[in-house]
Amino acid sequence: DSGVTQTPKHLITATGQRVTLRCSPRSGDLSVYWYQQSLDQGLQFLIQYYNGEERAKGNILERFSAQQFPDLHSELNLSSLELGDSALYFCASTLTSAPYNEQFFGPGTRLTVL
Amino acid sequence: AQTVTQSQPEMSVQEAETVTLSCTYDTSESDYYLFWYKQPPSRQMILVIRQEAYKQQNATENRFSVNFQKAAKSFSLKISDSQLGDAAMYFCAYRSDGRDDKIIFGKGTRLHILP
Repeated sequence: DSGVTQTPKHLITATGQRVTLRCSPRSGDLSVYWYQQSLDQGLQFLIQYYNGEERAKGNILERFSAQQFPDLHSELNLSSLELGDSALYFCASTLTSAPYNEQFFGPGTRLTVL
Repeated sequence: AQTVTQSQPEMSVQEAETVTLSCTYDTSESDYYLFWYKQPPSRQMILVIRQEAYKQQNATENRFSVNFQKAAKSFSLKISDSQLGDAAMYFCAYRSDGRDDKIIFGKGTRLHILP
C-alpha cells in the first residue's frame, strides 16, 4: 500500500459524458501527478500539481482538466468522453516537486467509455 | 523533444538467472533523472531504481543495478538472481531537471520468469 488513494476504482460511462477522478496523496506529500495508461499510447504523463498550483504539463487534452485543492487532494476531470479515453488513470504523489523524488502511485482508476 | 525507447517488448529468464533490460533515450539536456518502474499484474507502479545523470556511479538496489552510459544515452536494468516475483512490466522513464519538467515513459518490457 503506497498511501495514495484513488476513487473510484472502476468507472463505466458513455461517450460524451463527463467524469471526475479523485486522488488523495500520501500524508505530507505536496505534489500530485496524473498519468494515463492505455494499450495504444502506453503510460503518459498528464499533469503535475504542487501545493495547489500547476507545476508541469504533459500530454493532457483540452477536454481534460485538473486541480489540487487546499487539503491537497486532486481531481482530474474528463469531459466529452470518447472511446479512446478508456484507460487506467494513475495518480502519484511526492513530498516536494523535486524531480528526483520517488513517486508513490495509487492503485489507479479504470475508466471504460462505451 | 525527449524520447525513451525500450526495444524489447518481452523477455524471459530462468529463475535464479540474470537478465538485462534495455533502455535508450534521446535528449539535449545535460541534467536529468532516469528511473525504472515495475508494474506487476496488480497494476501497482513501483519504483525499482533511479539514477541522477550527473552521477557517474551506477545505481544499485539489492538485486537490481543499472548500467548508465550517458554519452551513449543508454540506461539498462540488470536483475540478478531472478525471482518469480520479478515477473512484471518494466518501464524506463526520463525526467528533466527544470521548472517545466516532464516525465517520459518507454513502452515497457514484459518480463517473464521461468521456473
